[in-house]
This record gives sequence, C-alpha cells and structure tokens, in this order.
Amino acid sequence: KQEVTQIPAALSVPEGENLVLNCSFTDSAIYNLQWFRQDPGKGLTSLLLIQSSQREQTSGRLNASLDKSSGRSTLYIAASQPGDSATYLCAVRRKASYDKVIFGPGTSLSVIP
Amino acid sequence: KAGVTQTPRYLIKTRGQQVTLSCSPISGHRSVSWYQQTPGQGLQFLFEYFSETQRNKGNFPGRFSGRQFSNSRSEMNVSTLELGDSALYLCASSFDPSPYEQYFGPGTRLTVT
Repeated sequence: KQEVTQIPAALSVPEGENLVLNCSFTDSAIYNLQWFRQDPGKGLTSLLLIQSSQREQTSGRLNASLDKSSGRSTLYIAASQPGDSATYLCAVRRKASYDKVIFGPGTSLSVIP
Repeated sequence: KAGVTQTPRYLIKTRGQQVTLSCSPISGHRSVSWYQQTPGQGLQFLFEYFSETQRNKGNFPGRFSGRQFSNSRSEMNVSTLELGDSALYLCASSFDPSPYEQYFGPGTRLTVT
C-alpha cells in the first residue's frame, strides 16, 4: 500500500531564504509525482510534474527532484517571497498509468517579510 | 484555455438530504477525478472517470457516487448526508494518455448542518 508523508508539517522562514520541502513514499513503483500549492480555501495549483524516468524538473525559482530508489522527492524554493506562503502538497500516481493518486498531508509554508 | 470549473462553489445542506456537485474539465481532457479534503483526513481520493466509465474508486461508502457524460463533464452525488461529509470537494482533470498531469478546479465547499 502506497503511503506518502511530508516533512516538516509546517515551516516559517524569513523572506529571501532558500528552502527545501520533503516528500517520502513507501512504494518506489510509481508512474509520476506531482507537486502542488494550495492557498487557504482554494483549489490546488500544479507546480511541477516529474515522470518516473526523470530525476528533476525546474520552473522558475522551483526545482523538484525525484529519487525512486530511496522513495523521496524534494521541492527546492530559491529566494523565497511572502507570496510563496501556502500549503505545498506532493502526490504520487501509482505504477499503472491510470492508477490512483495518493496525496501527502502537505507542508504549510509561511514566508515572513 | 479555460480551467476546470466546479459548481456550485458553496452549499449548505441538512443531514439526510442529498447533493449533486458538477465539474467541467479542461477542453480535451477525458479523465476526471474527485477528492474530498477535510482538516483531519487531508485529501482523499473518491473516484476517477474516463470516457464515461469509472476507472478507480477510493474507500468511501456507497452513498458517494458519480458519473461522467459524453462531453467529459462529471457529477458526483452524495446521498443521506452526514455531518462528517462537510468538506471541500475538489475535481481534477487530466489528459489521457500520458502525462496525466492533474489540474484542479476551485472546489465546492459543502457544509452539512
């Protein structure tokens, strides 16, 4: 059974800092992993999608890496800004391409001006 | 390209009633998934539809059901509402086949009193 965890549950950093969010999954047989952000009371915004054959993806100040063998993914945010404050969730689609998507509990990020 | 739309955005219902929520996917997306989000349980997968067929189902009671129409629009229905059904219900669409990147709608906030 695939389980997804995220550490830390909450993080508070001063503006300008670089930070890393962690996502761990128990079954390395995944199809892809996706990172999202969610603002309070809103839907999810897709940030990055990493296919199982890829090691990392980059978009602007965001970089996500994937290490299937260790069951880990990290989301690196460079030069954090107050607008980055949100909850960040990772989601793993299991091995079958049309299989279920399992979400982690999220990391609540607060960037202090 | 228009995003995923969900209607209504807010609903207040009484225990025992039933409710129908609607989701219109991004044009060209044939896969629609539904999730329930609560503070205690996080994001939980309800079901996924593809080409009018339920492809996956989460661990929810039979009171939760859904369907998909030929234009890929989807509805989910909850019968005999309970207080614990109060949640944010999120719909996501993805292009099938690969890469199965999910795009979420803004959600429907259901309150059961």
